[in-house]
Amino acid sequence: DVKVTQSSRYLVKRTGEKVFLECVQDMDHENMFWYRQDPGLGLRLIYFSYDVKMKEKGDIPEGYSVSREKKERFSLILESASTNQTSMYLCASSPPIGNTIYFGEGSWLTVV
Amino acid sequence: QKEVEQDPGPLSVPEGAIVSLNCTYSNSAFQYFMWYRQYSRKGPELLMYTYSSGNKEDGRFTAQVDKSSKYISLFIRDSQPSDSATYLCAMVTGNQFYFGTGTSLTVIP
Repeated sequence: DVKVTQSSRYLVKRTGEKVFLECVQDMDHENMFWYRQDPGLGLRLIYFSYDVKMKEKGDIPEGYSVSREKKERFSLILESASTNQTSMYLCASSPPIGNTIYFGEGSWLTVV
Repeated sequence: QKEVEQDPGPLSVPEGAIVSLNCTYSNSAFQYFMWYRQYSRKGPELLMYTYSSGNKEDGRFTAQVDKSSKYISLFIRDSQPSDSATYLCAMVTGNQFYFGTGTSLTVIP
C-alpha cells in the first residue's frame, strides 16, 4: 500500500512564526502535492513538484514556499504564519502516469 | 463554471439503503476518475479509480462513468454506519487533478 506520511498532525503556532510541514512518501512517486482543505472551499492546490528540486505554483501559493531536496520528501513552509492560514494541510503523491493520487492523514494547523 | 460539480448534501440514509453519489464535469479531456472517502479530521482515502466508461465493482462499492454525459457515480450497497463520511470525486488530465467539494453522508443505524 502507498504510504504518505505527514509528520505533524496537530500544530498550534503564533502569528509571524515560521512553520514547516513535512511529508514523506514511500512509493517512489515523481509527483508530490500540497493542498489545503477548508469547509465549503474543498481542496485547493498550493504547490506541486514533478521532480527533485522542481516546484510549480498551484492556485493559492501566496504566503507559502516548498522544498524538495529528495524524491520522497516534500516540505511546505509558511514563512510568516497568519491567522488566515489556519487550515488542514494535505500532502499527496501520484505516479508519473497520473492515474490517481494518494493523500496523507493531514496536518491541522491553528495560527493564533 | 467549475471543472467538477458535486452536490454537498448532506445525505442521510437508513442502514442497509443503497446510496448514490454523483459528480458532473465539463472537461472532456479527463482520463481517470476517482472516488475518495474522508472521515472527519482524516485525509482522503482512495476507494476506487476507473479509466473508461462503464462500471467497476469492488465489494459493496460500484463506480460508474458515463463519458458521453460527463457524469460519474458511486453506488454503495447495503450501507453501514461505518460508511458515514464525506465522499469526494476526483478527475485527472495530464497530472492536473480536479476535485469535487465532497458529499457528506450519514448512515443511520
